[in-house]
This record gives sequence, structure tokens and C-alpha cells, in this order.
Amino acid sequence: EVQLVESGGGLVQPGRSLKLSCAASGFTFSNYYMAWVRQAPKKGLEWVATISTSGSRTYYPDSVKGRFTISRDNAKSSLYLQMNSLKSEDTATYYCARHGMGFDYWGQGVMVTVSS
Amino acid sequence: DVVMTQTPPSLSVAIGQSVSISCKSSQSLVYSDGKTYLHWLLQSPGQSPKLLIYQVSNLGSGVPDRFSGTGSQKDFTLKISRVEAEDLGVYYCVQATHFPLTFGSGTKLEIK
Repeated sequence: EVQLVESGGGLVQPGRSLKLSCAASGFTFSNYYMAWVRQAPKKGLEWVATISTSGSRTYYPDSVKGRFTISRDNAKSSLYLQMNSLKSEDTATYYCARHGMGFDYWGQGVMVTVSS
Repeated sequence: DVVMTQTPPSLSVAIGQSVSISCKSSQSLVYSDGKTYLHWLLQSPGQSPKLLIYQVSNLGSGVPDRFSGTGSQKDFTLKISRVEAEDLGVYYCVQATHFPLTFGSGTKLEIK
């Protein structure tokens, strides 16, 4: 059974950093692109980052480019999102998703609140 | 960026009825490999999103065949035949042809 379990969320002050993790199981992690998608409270879905199978290629929207870094450790079947210079508008539930045939599996999400 | 225009924003339907949701993109979603990376997701209340349809018309794993997707280029439709109570939630289209990936604004389906 495919499972994606996020961790690392919480309350953080504006301008500070936070690192999210996603532990994957039930599939060959190294064979799949992976992504982070977020959802602000009562809002729609927003793509945050995608990483290639080897980690050599990463993609971001302008809203987080230069502040967020997606990475992976295939030996540990883990995905990460390093978030720096956090802003109040980064407050959201962050989902880890397998970027296979569509976004075919999602984690349960982890809440990040940016507030002083 | 590709803008995904999803309509209607909400629907209220009775059990057993059929409904359609439209998703139009500001650019063609045909990738250089000839495939169209337009997918449909359902977010049930309090849940993570779930894949329904990938690449326009392919059913996701375990998705009942009451769901179907059609379309091409810039114009796509999700159809739900014989709506059931478990179908309530917010439906999103998403394009993964062009970076940045973009989602539609969602269609909230309510059961009468």
C-alpha cells in the first residue's frame, strides 16, 4: 500500500525557516517524480515544487522560487521541503504527492502557520 | 502561466443525476510527447485530494467508471454519471504540461 506521511509543520515567525519531511513507503520511491502542493485555509490547491527521480532537476513557481528548496533522499525514501524567509501568505496545509500518472497519491498534509 | 478556468464554481445535484464540470486552459495542454497532462482530483470534506482521472480520460486506480473525462487541446470536461452521496466535495482540474503547474479554482459538489 502506498503511503506518504508528512511531518515537520508548526507555528513559525515571519522570516524564519522550517523544513518539512515526507516519508514514502509501498512503492519504489526512486522511480517517481515527487511534488509538494499547498492549500491555504479555505482556499484552493497551489503547486509548490517538483523534483525529478534523481533530484537533479527541480521546479518551482515564482511565489516560492529562491525561498523554498525541494530535495530527496532515495536511500531513505524521503522527500523534503526547506522553507526559508517564510511569509504570512505561506500559511497553509502542505501535501506531499507522488507525481506519477497525475498526482496519484497524496499524504494527509501538515499544517504550517506563519505568524508573529 | 497557464490559467485554468473551471466552471461552475458550485453544483447541487440529487442522487442519481448526472453532472458535468468544465475546465478550460489558456494554452494548449498537448505536450511535446503528444500527451495531454490534464488531470482531475476530488477533495472530499476534511480529506486530502484524490486522483480521479489522469491524462484527460484515464481512470485512476479504484475510481468507479461513473467518472469519465473528455476533451482536447484547451477544453476539458469531467462527467459524473449517477451521482452518489460519496461524490460530494471539491473537484479540481490541474495541468502538468507546462511549468508552473496550475490548478483550476475548484467546483464544489453538494448533494440535494
